[in-house]
Amino acid sequence: EAGVAQSPRYKIIEKRQSVAFWCNPISGHATLYWYQQILGQGPKLLIQFQNNGVVDDSQLPKDRFSAERLKGVDSTLKIQPAKLEDSAVYLCASSPPGRQREVQYFGPGTRLLVL
Amino acid sequence: KQEVTQIPAALSVPEGENLVLNCSFTDSAIYNLQWFRQDPGKGLTSLLLIQSSQREQTSGRLNASLDKSSGRSTLYIAASQPGDSATYLCAVGTNAGKSTFGDGTTLTVKP
Repeated sequence: EAGVAQSPRYKIIEKRQSVAFWCNPISGHATLYWYQQILGQGPKLLIQFQNNGVVDDSQLPKDRFSAERLKGVDSTLKIQPAKLEDSAVYLCASSPPGRQREVQYFGPGTRLLVL
Repeated sequence: KQEVTQIPAALSVPEGENLVLNCSFTDSAIYNLQWFRQDPGKGLTSLLLIQSSQREQTSGRLNASLDKSSGRSTLYIAASQPGDSATYLCAVGTNAGKSTFGDGTTLTVKP
């Protein structure tokens, strides 16, 4: 079974520029998560989707971050405009429906550096 | 607001040693607790999942315990190997699938 795919793996931008990250979850996984992981810290949930609906986006900085999950499959996370403090690894995870829904499968992440 | 703390932040042990990693959380009303492993530059891999009604889970050389009333969990690694070197994260979860992570313990096992 293919894992969670993310692209790009690395991105370097200047502050005030825009950037977008893409995630393709494991086939059949209804729930999709975006996390932000700052160096030396644990992942922090940004947004959680159930199919193509938002379950939790309470920690998403909505003035600059946006995310969508079209057709309940792939998802895109966008930052516009980026700030220095957005430098982090952005992790996407998905979980299956049913009894195994509690187990999250993570992608390799996108490492963002804002200069 | 749930807060998760992991102590120590870093740990270095010689190969073969048994070790314990600690995780504490402030709100005991959890649905589950998971231990993850993260290798440098990689995503997270789930190691063990403990339901709130359970006391422990075992997988190979790993054993995780949960004491919900005191807000604590431990991950026991037996006979450590250099390949166990990684960052270990615990996460407490709600029944809505939301997880709160600790900042992890970085383990180095020296040959």
